Amino acid sequence: AQSVSQHNHHVILSEAASLELGCNYSYGGTVNLFWYVQYPGQHLQLLLKYFSGDPLVKGIKGFEAEFIKSKFSFNLRKPSVQWSDTAEYFCAVNRYSGGGADGLTFGKGTHLIIQP
Amino acid sequence: SQTIHQWPATLVQPVGSPLSLECTVEGTSNPNLYWYRQAAGRGLQLLFYSVGIGQISSEVPQNLSASRPQDRQFILSSKKLLLSDSGFYLCAWSVGGSGQETQYFGPGTRLLVL
Repeated sequence: AQSVSQHNHHVILSEAASLELGCNYSYGGTVNLFWYVQYPGQHLQLLLKYFSGDPLVKGIKGFEAEFIKSKFSFNLRKPSVQWSDTAEYFCAVNRYSGGGADGLTFGKGTHLIIQP
Repeated sequence: SQTIHQWPATLVQPVGSPLSLECTVEGTSNPNLYWYRQAAGRGLQLLFYSVGIGQISSEVPQNLSASRPQDRQFILSSKKLLLSDSGFYLCAWSVGGSGQETQYFGPGTRLLVL
């Protein structure tokens, strides 16, 4: 069975600091990779995704993530965080299903707090 | 544009009572539908998914069941709730069939079983 590991459960940063949230997965086949974010009081929403092609993907609000296949990693980065980035961040993986449906396997999430 | 609705938003139920949570999607046809649960201190766990009316796949054996009576309606049920059923239940949808699909989530239902 596949699994997703997020390295940090709680992260506290000051505004303008750089951010990197780690995500590793265990699955040997072709995967789709996602980062979702849940802002306080809001729905879980897509931040960015990787299906294929350029391993460096850019998402909303200045976030980016790099897929490193050899390390089974998909770390999330942002060069300069803002107070509004305070949220819960989830890394998720599903198997490339070749046309069928496949549920996501999520990490446990990282609670990010940005201090003004 | 597509929207996804879940209700109720919050529910407090006694142990042993039945459960029915509803999820509906608007603005798309023949979506794949999913139920996830987030228990305290844990990540989201896939419970069920459906690729069409009457087609349900269960990922985790448990006290819950799912049904899809209409194309854009997905229902999560239980005949008798357990304390361990407490959690945050999320419905999601996707479309495609290419194997590269993005799932979009509803607002969730917070269930507390006492």
